[in-house]
Amino acid sequence: SQKIEQNSEALNIQEGKTATLTCNYTNYSPAYLQWYRQDPGRGPVFLLLIRENEKEKRKERLKVTFDTTLKQSLFHITASQPADSATYLCALDPLNYGGSQGNLIFGKGTKLSVKP
Amino acid sequence: EPEVTQTPSHQVTQMGQEVILRCVPISNHLYFYWYRQILGQKVEFLVSFYNNEISEKSEIFDDQFSVERPDGSNFTLKIRSTKLEDSAMYFCASSHRDWYQETQYFGPGTRLLVL
Repeated sequence: SQKIEQNSEALNIQEGKTATLTCNYTNYSPAYLQWYRQDPGRGPVFLLLIRENEKEKRKERLKVTFDTTLKQSLFHITASQPADSATYLCALDPLNYGGSQGNLIFGKGTKLSVKP
Repeated sequence: EPEVTQTPSHQVTQMGQEVILRCVPISNHLYFYWYRQILGQKVEFLVSFYNNEISEKSEIFDDQFSVERPDGSNFTLKIRSTKLEDSAMYFCASSHRDWYQETQYFGPGTRLLVL
């Protein structure tokens, strides 16, 4: 069966450290994978998109990697701050091998807490 | 910066009643979506809409649900006869899809409580 899993429900780290979140998927071959941030009671906010032919993408303190062999994406926040505390969601389009169907399949998310 | 807006922010209704959730997508976007999130669970896709018709719908989106873009700016989700299990956050999203990639912009959500 098809699954998208974020292995840690919660991650607690100290301010200034690097947070690393994992997203694994099975029985998909997505053309891209996305990461969103969700604060309590709010809608997901888009952060980064990485394509299948990209190994790594960066945006300020954020870095995403995508390994289509391992079927895994890693999301890193460097120099983490308490304001980074939120739930981070990975999502993919279930239409395989390129193109875009549009509907996103989300992981359950990892709740990150950054302590001062 | 343009954003997706949704009304109402909260809706409480009795089981069996009809509800209409409203969304104003970003103005130059062409693709519209509804998702829901039951408390503590994943964000789940309901339906996508393009060119005034449904493009894709999930198993959740049964005959009790319908969507409409009545006036070129609003995008609505109607639940005809609400059930207790329809209680959730409902998110509208829109996108201006480029070839080979997709970024969806989500609204703040409507929290629906069915009693």
